[in-house]
Amino acid sequence: DAKTTQPTSMDCAEGRAANLPCNHSTISGNEYVYWYRQIHSQGPQYIIHGLKNNETNEMASLIITEDRKSSTLILPHATLRDTAVYYCIVRVRPYSSASKIIFGSGTRLSIRP
Amino acid sequence: NAGVTQTPKFQVLKTGQSMTLQCAQDMNHNSMYWYRQDPGMGLRLIYYSASEGTTDKGEVPNGYNVSRLNKREFSLRLESAAPSQTSVYFCASSDPGQVSSYEQYFGPGTRLTVT
Repeated sequence: DAKTTQPTSMDCAEGRAANLPCNHSTISGNEYVYWYRQIHSQGPQYIIHGLKNNETNEMASLIITEDRKSSTLILPHATLRDTAVYYCIVRVRPYSSASKIIFGSGTRLSIRP
Repeated sequence: NAGVTQTPKFQVLKTGQSMTLQCAQDMNHNSMYWYRQDPGMGLRLIYYSASEGTTDKGEVPNGYNVSRLNKREFSLRLESAAPSQTSVYFCASSDPGQVSSYEQYFGPGTRLTVT
């Protein structure tokens, strides 16, 4: 699985959009970009994933550059409850067997009132 | 549905003691995983089970054993606990057969302290 690079920490004002970057310059053609987050003391929570097109769901949007070497997770209207560590993971999507997720250190996002 | 449940929530052991962490899921998922998370660090995979009856090592398997008891349950055993195993342990499950999306569902964690 490709390695990812994320800033150690970021902060954002409540109500504004939080944009979390991730570099994955060695990504392969069959690898997806996944985002998880971990709110303090809880288990990680899946947010979104994508291959090459931009994706949006009820939680966030994922913007992947055309060369797929980087991506940005966007939380459109950040709230205090979005304070968490956000993990960007690049991996092949499995079809028939368990596939390991290798978590890095992630980005600690703090939302300020 | 309860999702992924873990017991116990907290445990304190003395060095050399043994214990088993229990995990169960009610989502009919094929695959289950055990991770550990040390303070200020990301999660590291200990063992995983692709399906009932199979288990494989992850990044940090030393000092642990696992049992996939049935499709619902996946336990993690520490035979002789060491202070280096002080950590938060998370269990997760997934169903790779769902080709429309893929995600792992995590339990609430077990906080283990070895003195």
